[in-house]
Amino acid sequence: DGGITQSPKYLFRKEGQNVTLSCEQNLNHDAMYWYRQDPGQGLRLIYYSQIVNDFQKGDIAEGYSVSREKKESFPLTVTSAQKNPTAFYLCASSTSTAHFGNEQYFGPGTRLTVT
Amino acid sequence: AQSVTQLGSHVSVSEGALVLLRCNYSSSVPPYLFWYVQYPNQGLQLLLKYTSAATLVKGINGFEAEFKKSETSFHLTKPSAHMSDAAEYFCAVARAGSARQLTFGSGTQLTVLP
Repeated sequence: DGGITQSPKYLFRKEGQNVTLSCEQNLNHDAMYWYRQDPGQGLRLIYYSQIVNDFQKGDIAEGYSVSREKKESFPLTVTSAQKNPTAFYLCASSTSTAHFGNEQYFGPGTRLTVT
Repeated sequence: AQSVTQLGSHVSVSEGALVLLRCNYSSSVPPYLFWYVQYPNQGLQLLLKYTSAATLVKGINGFEAEFKKSETSFHLTKPSAHMSDAAEYFCAVARAGSARQLTFGSGTQLTVLP
């Protein structure tokens, strides 16, 4: 079964600790994305990657970092510099950036709570 | 820059009634528009998309949306609501430029009353 997996489903951390969220896809998609979701604010783009070993900042990249060493994997690190890290994080992928009409496919999300 | 506005953060309908969720867009280029649904604590699932092929777009679960350029709207409808339709719905527009990023609306929470 093809799809996107995110682990863990729930994650708890103490303030000041870095934490890495996993995102893996077996859809053979070139592009991958990380979003943050807060109540009443929709989804906001953190980082995206169009190809292996390349990624760009989205709208709210401060306090986050990513890597794209393999086509299948796009991990997100929430650093201690992120002022308000508690949120629901969603990973997505898309077949190609060549066409506007290509939809994004989403993983099940990771809910991060930092206290 | 592309943007979407979803009117009404919460919508309640009775089971069997018409569902209408509103989305207006702003785009400097011909828009590509999407509707996604999200069930609690889950990811987003694509309901339907508009890519200029036809103005009336049919999606999954009996949903459809009509692209109206003159009104810059892409409202989502379903003739008869079912309890299982209760979820949050997001409208999104593809941004111009590379990488085909999406800009999402703030979402509409649909409640279906028995």
